[in-house]
Amino acid sequence: KAGVTQTPRYLIKTRGQQVTLSCSPISGHRSVSWYQQTPGQGLQFLFEYFSETQRNKGNFPGRFSGRQFSNSRSEMNVSTLELGDSALYLCASSFPRMRGNTGELFFGEGSRLTVL
Amino acid sequence: QQQVKQSPQSLIVQKGGISIINCAYENTAFDYFPWYQQFPGKGPALLIAIRPDVSEKKEGRFTISFNKSAKQFSLHIMDSQPGDSATYFCAASEDKIIFGKGTRLHILP
Repeated sequence: KAGVTQTPRYLIKTRGQQVTLSCSPISGHRSVSWYQQTPGQGLQFLFEYFSETQRNKGNFPGRFSGRQFSNSRSEMNVSTLELGDSALYLCASSFPRMRGNTGELFFGEGSRLTVL
Repeated sequence: QQQVKQSPQSLIVQKGGISIINCAYENTAFDYFPWYQQFPGKGPALLIAIRPDVSEKKEGRFTISFNKSAKQFSLHIMDSQPGDSATYFCAASEDKIIFGKGTRLHILP
């Protein structure tokens, strides 16, 4: 069974540019969550999508957005990049967290974004 | 607002020793507490998890101790091995999963 696939794995952008990251979940998983990982802040929740709808959202500015397609693949976009956006962006797929289901997250290896 | 506080930030333990990582939470609505393990260059992976109606859960060398009244839980790694060297994240969930800031564990050979 293929794992979560994230593309691209590495990318370098300059301030003010925008970036789009892609995530293909494990087959059968309809929930996709995005996290930002930085050395100082650990794993910070960005948003979760289920059946093409945003189900939860973290405390990030509106420059961070996402979407999910009918095949459960997801993309996240960051506009007007800032130096502080340099981070590892992790995507995780799961069955949705609801009563009786823990919603165990299966992570990809991440997209490492460097903003110069 | 940090909902899950994790300590220590880094930890060095001799091979064969006990590694202990502590976490505290604020939201009493959390009903699921997983620990994730992350190796360099990889995404985190679920290690062990507990629900608040249980005070302890053990899987091999890994044990979670849970104190509901104190709103604290901890991970104990018995007989720590160099292969356990990784970053460990505690987490808590009501609907979305919220992570602590992580503990970088290094086991000395």
